[in-house]
Amino acid sequence: DSGVTQTPKHLITATGQRVTLRCSPRSGDLSVYWYQQSLDQGLQFLIQYYNGEERAKGNILERFSAQQFPDLHSELNLSSLELGDSALYFCASSPFMGLATDTQYFGPGTRLTVL
Amino acid sequence: AQSVTQLGSHVSVSEGALVLLRCNYSSSVPPYLFWYVQYPNQGLQLLLKYTSAATLVKGINGFEAEFKKSETSFHLTKPSAHMSDAAEYFCAVTRDDKIIFGKGTRLHILP
Repeated sequence: DSGVTQTPKHLITATGQRVTLRCSPRSGDLSVYWYQQSLDQGLQFLIQYYNGEERAKGNILERFSAQQFPDLHSELNLSSLELGDSALYFCASSPFMGLATDTQYFGPGTRLTVL
Repeated sequence: AQSVTQLGSHVSVSEGALVLLRCNYSSSVPPYLFWYVQYPNQGLQLLLKYTSAATLVKGINGFEAEFKKSETSFHLTKPSAHMSDAAEYFCAVTRDDKIIFGKGTRLHILP
């Protein structure tokens, strides 16, 4: 158990809908990262927040957005969902700001299925 | 641009045999390199990381990797495979604010 929690575990929705994925980092960790894992794209970094502020951006679509709240939990919002958004979405956390050398602790993921 | 290539999407080894998972990177500057493991239905777990200190990096569960700049490689090895090593392994490279994962190698352990 990494100490990172993600809810829900599974989510099934329809095209065009909007969903929110939630992540609670390990106690004391200030950075939260979001990743998408799919069969065709592999594992892709989406975005990082550090202490409430956006820190780094990867291959995140404009239809997707995220935020980190004062209690450090984070939410990933996915809107206008398409079939291709079906994937496993991981959240990770780390103690500090740096993406490069920090050890990241991954949650168990949320499996999103878009029908 | 930097990227990472993992050779072999599936690797099978016998229990007790040497595990060798290959990773090559391309980077214009010295990178930071990582190996992660993903067990079925779980998130990723860091095995080891190279951050420009020692070129031979020891990780958890008996794994190690050697950074070879001349070969732009960071192969993962373990002297003796165990059934519990069956999982998917990801090599990743980071520089500045970007992290790029390889496609992953699924390791199968044969009894």
